[in-house]
Amino acid sequence: DAGVIQSPRHEVTEMGQEVTLRCKPISGHNSLFWYRQTMMRGLELLIYFNNNVPIDDSGMPEDRFSAKMPNASFSTLKIQPSEPRDSAVYFCASRSPPNTEAFFGQGTRLTVV
Amino acid sequence: AQSVTQLDSQVPVFEEAPVELRCNYSSSVSVYLFWYVQYPNQGLQLLLKYLSGSTLVKGINGFEAEFNKSQTSFHLRKPSVHISDTAEYFCAVSGYQAGTALIFGKGTTLSVSS
Repeated sequence: DAGVIQSPRHEVTEMGQEVTLRCKPISGHNSLFWYRQTMMRGLELLIYFNNNVPIDDSGMPEDRFSAKMPNASFSTLKIQPSEPRDSAVYFCASRSPPNTEAFFGQGTRLTVV
Repeated sequence: AQSVTQLDSQVPVFEEAPVELRCNYSSSVSVYLFWYVQYPNQGLQLLLKYLSGSTLVKGINGFEAEFNKSQTSFHLRKPSVHISDTAEYFCAVSGYQAGTALIFGKGTTLSVSS
């Protein structure tokens, strides 16, 4: 397996634009997590899914953020409209039972100017 | 709900010195505990995990951690560090149930110098 795949790796966009981040989890994993990493707040859990169903989205900072998982092999995180304070590295991770490790993608570095 | 506190944001040490990175957790239920490492511009990778059994857990690259239930701690140790151990280290906690969250601490930057 190629691991968790995120795209794009880097995204630079202007304030007000829509941004969509993509994630392909490892095949067979039934939990998927979206995290945001910043210097100030560290690694924040935004939302996670179990069997494609959102379990907890309390970490999503505002209504501008939304996430979907239409099937077991794909998830998106959308920011609309984007703002400079959304600049961060966004990670996707997946795992199977809770006593196993989560595998991380390489992250998407988002810069909103 | 669970939470994790990493007590040191930065730990500078000299090469070949021992190091301990501290982690405390809070949970109303039993948990699994993890330590991850992140090298610059990379994702996180697992160092070690505690599931059950022996409270001393050994991981990759010579790291080990000890689970202390009474103190709700899971400190990471290495007897002799190398320059290549310079990285960000994250402690994480997860509940037992399927579909439970994986919560991370804010991380500790380990800087090893010669």
